[in-house]
Amino acid sequence: EPEVTQTPSHQVTQMGQEVILRCVPISNHLYFYWYRQILGQKVEFLVSFYNNEISEKSEIFDDQFSVERPDGSNFTLKIRSTKLEDSAMYFCASSYDPNTEAFFGQGTRLTVV
Amino acid sequence: GESVGLHLPTLSVQEGDNSIINCAYSNSASDYFIWYKQESGKGPQFIIDIRSNMDKRQGQRVTVLLNKTVKHLSLQIAATQPGDSAVYFCAERATSNTGKLIFGQGTTLQVKP
Repeated sequence: EPEVTQTPSHQVTQMGQEVILRCVPISNHLYFYWYRQILGQKVEFLVSFYNNEISEKSEIFDDQFSVERPDGSNFTLKIRSTKLEDSAMYFCASSYDPNTEAFFGQGTRLTVV
Repeated sequence: GESVGLHLPTLSVQEGDNSIINCAYSNSASDYFIWYKQESGKGPQFIIDIRSNMDKRQGQRVTVLLNKTVKHLSLQIAATQPGDSAVYFCAERATSNTGKLIFGQGTTLQVKP
């Protein structure tokens, strides 16, 4: 069964450092997303991406965040200068179109120290 | 404003009983709803979805009911099993072409043997 894969599963970084979280969406999907979940809280939307550009982003997704699809299979989230409050689980998701189910990866746990 | 909420943070049921998890949403323009299951340390797993032109949809052991009049969504799990223990989130998708999902707070389902 096709699945969304994310690497690494856990990333520890120093405050102020840049991190890149990686995702391989399901191969025939066209819409890609990043969400985050702070421990014990609900899942929050960060950004949606289609046709090589951002289609919607949330208030959380400020200038410190960027996304990229560097090739035909990977989808990345970059945080330029991490802050303590960026510590969370980051989930990548993909869907074939915006009105069908989105499938989520297992997440990357980001810990900023 | 945009918000999706759940009525109960924790639901405890006996193995074999039926479970009902409720969700209230506020955006009357939302036309697509999804229930996700999240086990500890994992990403949200798609369970079932329903579109706003339907009142009920059944899957294997699960049924989703949508009441647009009162903006209420419920997930019914028949013959609850220990493997059903998880956090359940409802999510709504507003009528947009970006695929953004708005998640509720989540209900923890505990199944007692």
